[in-house]
Amino acid sequence: DAGVTQSPTHLIKTRGQQVTLRCSPKSGHDTVSWYQQALGQGPQFIFQYYEEEERQRGNFPDRFSGHQFPNYSSELNVNALLLGDSALYLCASSFPGTGSYEQYFGPGTRLTVT
Amino acid sequence: GESVGLHLPTLSVQEGDNSIINCAYSNSASDYFIWYKQESGKGPQFIIDIRSNMDKRQGQRVTVLLNKTVKHLSLQIAATQPGDSAVYFCAENLGGGAQKLVFGQGTRLTINP
Repeated sequence: DAGVTQSPTHLIKTRGQQVTLRCSPKSGHDTVSWYQQALGQGPQFIFQYYEEEERQRGNFPDRFSGHQFPNYSSELNVNALLLGDSALYLCASSFPGTGSYEQYFGPGTRLTVT
Repeated sequence: GESVGLHLPTLSVQEGDNSIINCAYSNSASDYFIWYKQESGKGPQFIIDIRSNMDKRQGQRVTVLLNKTVKHLSLQIAATQPGDSAVYFCAENLGGGAQKLVFGQGTRLTINP
């Protein structure tokens, strides 16, 4: 049973560029959430996707957008990258249909903006 | 506001001793709480969770206590082992059906031999 997978593992971008990060949820999960984790901090909620729609959103600007595909996998897009966007981006999947709020995290994508 | 905080950023204990990691939360409407363990270079790993209608839950070597009166959460790890060294985060799920976890900054637990 595959867990949550993310790609790429590491990424280096230049200010102003755009980036796309990818996530495949744990088998059987239909909900994907994205988090940003700055160095030495706890993860911060970006948004959540369910049934291919954004269902919840945290305090992140519109430069952060996402998408969920029919197979429940998801992408996180960040436009006009800033130095402050450098962080570990975590994807978490869940299956709230069972009444559980438990979220399973992937290993993350380390984004460095120079 | 929405925030989950931890009382201590670092905790150092002797191998074999019990560890207690504390967490304060501010949202009275939070209905679910989770403890995660994060090792260097990895994503957070689920340890144990508790719903707001409970005050104690036990797992293998771990116990979570919830005190809603003072909005306090704690994680107890029995007989700590070197593999327990990591950063521990508490997280709260805002109520009302939301699945939005709010994390604290974390406590780094170091196990001394």
